[in-house]
Amino acid sequence: GENVEQHPSTLSVQEGDSAVIKCTYSDSASNYFPWYKQELGKGPQLIIDIRSNVGEKKDQRIAVTLNKTAKHFSLHITETQPEDSAVYFCAAINKNTGFQKLVFGTGTRLLVSP
Amino acid sequence: GAGVSQSPRYKVAKRGQDVALRCDPISGHVSLFWYQQALGQGPEFLTYFQNEAQLDKSGLPSDRFFAERPEGSVSTLKIQRTQQEDSAVYLCASSLIGTDFSQPQHFGDGTRLSIL
Repeated sequence: GENVEQHPSTLSVQEGDSAVIKCTYSDSASNYFPWYKQELGKGPQLIIDIRSNVGEKKDQRIAVTLNKTAKHFSLHITETQPEDSAVYFCAAINKNTGFQKLVFGTGTRLLVSP
Repeated sequence: GAGVSQSPRYKVAKRGQDVALRCDPISGHVSLFWYQQALGQGPEFLTYFQNEAQLDKSGLPSDRFFAERPEGSVSTLKIQRTQQEDSAVYLCASSLIGTDFSQPQHFGDGTRLSIL
């Protein structure tokens, strides 16, 4: 089955800096890659996603890139703000499973200092 | 509108007791998912419903775990004879239809289960 690895496990940046979180996946049949933000005591919230037929997607300060050959995908946050502090999870879905069976990475705790 | 609602938010039980966790999905969402999130880890898939049909339960850790969604709306995850390793946050998610990959999963805030 699919295995998703994520790093770093923790990331500390100063407000205004950029943050990059990287994930790798094992199953070449995976074709949908969402990113979730989880705040303390809350459920994961979808922030951006990318499909395997797209190399890059951007939404304001957040962007995601996908390298299918290397089976890598990354989350980029620019101009970080203290409210970006949270745990971020990447995930992958293999469309061949027939439904949205999410396989999550282990998470990155992002701390943005004012 | 209302999001996915889970209850209770916190549950403490003694080892060996049975527990029941409830999920109210977003109205009209056909698909419902349960995940288990251990401390410091990502959520792990447990089971998937489309309406009242449980189409995949490959992630349930043992036969002590049982999930149902009898009327295709509210779902209950039941754990029998709880053990300490069952301590985790149990997340429920719903989507308009789980076979449409353009539809996101919306998560509830989870039930934190602690087994003493």
